[in-house]
Amino acid sequence: QKEVEQNSGPLSVPEGAIASLNCTYSDRGSQSFFWYRQYSGKSPELIMFIYSNGDKEDGRFTAQLNKASQYVSLLIRDSQPSDSATYLCAVNEDSSYKLIFGSGTRLLVRP
Amino acid sequence: DAGVTQSPTHLIKTRGQQVTLRCSPKSGHDTVSWYQQALGQGPQFIFQYYEEEERQRGNFPDRFSGHQFPNYSSELNVNALLLGDSALYLCASSLELTETTDTQYFGPGTRLTVL
Repeated sequence: QKEVEQNSGPLSVPEGAIASLNCTYSDRGSQSFFWYRQYSGKSPELIMFIYSNGDKEDGRFTAQLNKASQYVSLLIRDSQPSDSATYLCAVNEDSSYKLIFGSGTRLLVRP
Repeated sequence: DAGVTQSPTHLIKTRGQQVTLRCSPKSGHDTVSWYQQALGQGPQFIFQYYEEEERQRGNFPDRFSGHQFPNYSSELNVNALLLGDSALYLCASSLELTETTDTQYFGPGTRLTVL
């Protein structure tokens, strides 16, 4: 059973701090990696995707991928209370159209 | 740019009944995937439709079936509802013929409650 693991949290950070969210995956053949943000009672919203080893930056968000360690992370700089949500890591299954999701990490940004 | 739409927003059914959920993909997208999200869990893949065919299925029983129409919209049908089918049902759309074919965008979801 291919898996994506995330710490459920909550991860609590003060406003303005850097929030670091982590994810590990079991399928060595995975090529595409995604971070979704999900507010309570809402559907997941795509915020970042990454395909190559290294870092990818978009505004306050940076995704980091290390395929050798099978590890993906999301950094949120200058965290705002509006960033408080559950962050879902998703990985494509090798030779498949399926995305495998972790259970999410709940982030709380304290004003 | 029209996003993914789903209907209805909420639905309450009783055990044994049947339900149909509907999805229209994002403008320009041709592929639709369906996911089930239980409370406190990540979405679980049900199946994906492309060119009006189910091309991949997750670990869900045959009670779950679907359809894709020529305009790329899709339906998810669930027969003989069980209490455990209560969940948020998510439709995700993507575009097949690009590098990022598996970049999936979710609709607002349908909250199904089975009593």
